[in-house]
Amino acid sequence: GENVEQHPSTLSVQEGDSAVIKCTYSDSASNYFPWYKQELGKGPQLIIDIRSNVGEKKDQRIAVTLNKTAKHFSLHITETQPEDSAVYFCAASRGGNNRLAFGKGNQVVVIP
Amino acid sequence: KAGVTQTPRYLIKTRGQQVTLSCSPISGHRSVSWYQQTPGQGLQFLFEYFSETQRNKGNFPGRFSGRQFSNSRSEMNVSTLELGDSALYLCASSREIGGELFFGEGSRLTVL
Repeated sequence: GENVEQHPSTLSVQEGDSAVIKCTYSDSASNYFPWYKQELGKGPQLIIDIRSNVGEKKDQRIAVTLNKTAKHFSLHITETQPEDSAVYFCAASRGGNNRLAFGKGNQVVVIP
Repeated sequence: KAGVTQTPRYLIKTRGQQVTLSCSPISGHRSVSWYQQTPGQGLQFLFEYFSETQRNKGNFPGRFSGRQFSNSRSEMNVSTLELGDSALYLCASSREIGGELFFGEGSRLTVL
């Protein structure tokens, strides 16, 4: 099955700086790559996703890039704010179903 | 618009008992998926339902089961509980299979 790995496990950044989280996946048939943000005591919240027919997608301060050849994708958060502090999960799937393979998550801490 | 609602939010059971968790998807969403979240294994897919039919099943023992009703509401059941079943059980819904997944806040199960 699909195996998704996330690096680094913890990331601390100064407020206003950028944060980058990288994920690699193993299944070359995967074509859907969502990112979720999970705050303490809450369920994961979809923040951005990308499908294999595009290489980059941006939504305000958040962007995701995809390199299908290398089988990795990254989340970029610019101008970080304290409310960006959370655990971020990447995931991958073949599409056509809701069976997502998740990475283990990254704890992002934004230091005011 | 109401989100995904899971009940109960917290519950404590003892080994050998069984438990039933309930999920009400977002209005209009016909697909419901269940995930188990633990510190060690992260987020793992349990099963997926669409139109009252199980479409996909993860690698969990037969003690884990689920169903979906005609109004798209879903329940999952775990029988003969083990200590290792202690986890946050997350329900997610989407409008169709393979669409954006929206998670509830989860049901936290503790097995003593």
